[in-house]
Parts: sequence; structure tokens; C-alpha cells
Amino acid sequence: GAVVSQHPSWVICKSGTSVKIECRSLDFQATTMFWYRQFPKQSLMLMATSNEGSKATYEQGVEKDKFLINHASLTLSTLTVTSAHPEDSSFYICSASGARGTNEKLFFGSGTQLSVL
Amino acid sequence: RKEVEQDPGPFNVPEGATVAFNCTYSNSASQSFFWYRQDCRKEPKLLMSVYSSGNEDGRFTAQLNRASQYISLLIRDSKLSDSATYLCVLVYNFNKFYFGSGTKLNVKP
Repeated sequence: GAVVSQHPSWVICKSGTSVKIECRSLDFQATTMFWYRQFPKQSLMLMATSNEGSKATYEQGVEKDKFLINHASLTLSTLTVTSAHPEDSSFYICSASGARGTNEKLFFGSGTQLSVL
Repeated sequence: RKEVEQDPGPFNVPEGATVAFNCTYSNSASQSFFWYRQDCRKEPKLLMSVYSSGNEDGRFTAQLNRASQYISLLIRDSKLSDSATYLCVLVYNFNKFYFGSGTKLNVKP
């Protein structure tokens, strides 16, 4: 089946630093990638949707200057948390769609646990 | 109004029990429906697609009721390993995915 690779799995950083998370589709071209975050014991919250070669569409309440999303190719999207603060500590997950024959199915990365000290 | 509404639970059931979850949706033009399973601190994984005719995979049965705009997931003979959060997902316009908030299931020995 289609595979999405996300890394790093864990990040611990100091407040004020920027953190980049990568999401790659390994065996298919992902026309659309999604970024979510999930706080403990809460559901997935969609942050933004990105289509290759165009600007990401952010959900209401998500700061686009804080969470920079780049989807420069059909196999790679990155999320950069700029000037991270402790309240940004969360579980971030990407997903991708667009696999041949499975356009409507989502494939998830394994997630990144971000801890900001 | 949310696109997808789902009871967060938790549903606490004994091993061997039958349990069912529902998800209601507001957009009648929604095209496809899925159930995903998410374990704690892991990514969601596709459990099964949902069709109007209903589909079954072992102990799991999924159903779609377009007239009443809901989907359901039935788990028979619950196992301890079924404990997880179950997410319903609907797809609109082929590339818009909407998630339910997830229903937590705890299967007790």
C-alpha cells in the first residue's frame, strides 16, 4: 500500500527556535497533503491543506506565519513551526492523498511529537 | 455546524460485547466515507470503507444511510485489542476530507 514517511518522530527544542517537519510520499504522487495537530486526549485538528505548487489553505485560527507549509513537489511537504513556544508542544501528523486508484483515501505519516522547553 | 459529528465516548464494554458507533454528517453531497482507527500517540490507520450496501470485514460491519445522513460501525465479539479511538471520515469533492472527533472505545477484561 501507499506509504507516507514523516520525520523526525520526536523533537525537543528550546523556546524561540524553529522546527521543520518533513512529510514524504514514498511510492505515489501526493497531489494534496494535510497537516494536523493533536493535543493529548483530543481529536485530530486539521491545520492546513496544501496542494503541490500552490499556497497552503489554513484553517480558521491557525496562524500561517507561525506554521509555514511548503509543498514544492508531489512527494514532499514540510511544516515549519517558527519561533516555537511551549504551547506549540503537540503531536503533529501529516497525511497525503492522490495515490493512483486511491484518490479518496488518506495515508498518514507516523507523526511528530514536538516538545518545546 | 460541524461537517461531521461523532460521540466522543468513551464506550466502556466487556470483552465479547457488541458495540456500535455512529457518525452524522451535514453535507448530503459527501461522496465517500471511511472508518479509521487511531491508537494512542499513533497515526490513524484505515479500518474500512463504508458503502450504502454495507460491508463486513470479520467482526466489523460498516453501514451508510444516505437518507438519514449517518454512517455506523459495528464491532462484534469485542477484543481487548479493539481498544482505540475510531474516527469517521467523509470525503467531499474528491479532495476535501472531514474528520469526526473520534469515539474512544475501552474493552475491559
